[in-house]
Amino acid sequence: NAGVMQNPRHLVRRRGQEARLRCSPMKGHSHVYWYRQLPEEGLKFMVYLQKENIIDESGMPKERFSAEFPKEGPSILRIQQVVRGDSAAYFCASSPGQVSGNTIYFGEGSWLTVV
Amino acid sequence: ILNVEQSPQSLHVQEGDSTNFTCSFPSSNFYALHWYRWETAKSPEALFVMTLNGDEKKKGRISATLNTKEGYSYLYIKGSQPEDSATYLCASLMEYGNKLVFGAGTILRVKS
Repeated sequence: NAGVMQNPRHLVRRRGQEARLRCSPMKGHSHVYWYRQLPEEGLKFMVYLQKENIIDESGMPKERFSAEFPKEGPSILRIQQVVRGDSAAYFCASSPGQVSGNTIYFGEGSWLTVV
Repeated sequence: ILNVEQSPQSLHVQEGDSTNFTCSFPSSNFYALHWYRWETAKSPEALFVMTLNGDEKKKGRISATLNTKEGYSYLYIKGSQPEDSATYLCASLMEYGNKLVFGAGTILRVKS
């Protein structure tokens, strides 16, 4: 049973380009979360999605960031017109149900560097 | 603002020592407390999910306790080994939803 798969593991983008990060949850998991770790900071919640629905995007910057979890295929975190401050590690996690009673399982992260 | 605080920030111990660290969280509207172990270049690995005041959980040499009334959890490692070296994260679910609020972590280094 494969774990949470994220790709790419490392991504370099120039300022103004778009970055797309993909996350395939564990088999049987329909809840996906994206977290961001900025340099010298802890993990910060960005967005929580279930299949085809955004449940909580309170941690997402209002502009340039979007996330989706389509009926088929991986969840995608999209960052348009990247800036240097977007350089961070982006972690995806999944769970079979609500967080309170369930462990969430993390992927190994995608490291975005904006040059 | 809901803050989860962890202390100490880092800890260096000798192999065989027992150690513990603290996670503090706001005690109001508490739903769950999660502990993770995070090795460099790997994904955070879930250790415990705790929900009830007075909960104690154990996994091998690692155990954790929870006090929801005063808002803290302790993680204990008995007889530390070099392979225990990692960052230990706690995260609190402060309202029924799915947004875990993480502490900054405690970095543990075990010297052989």
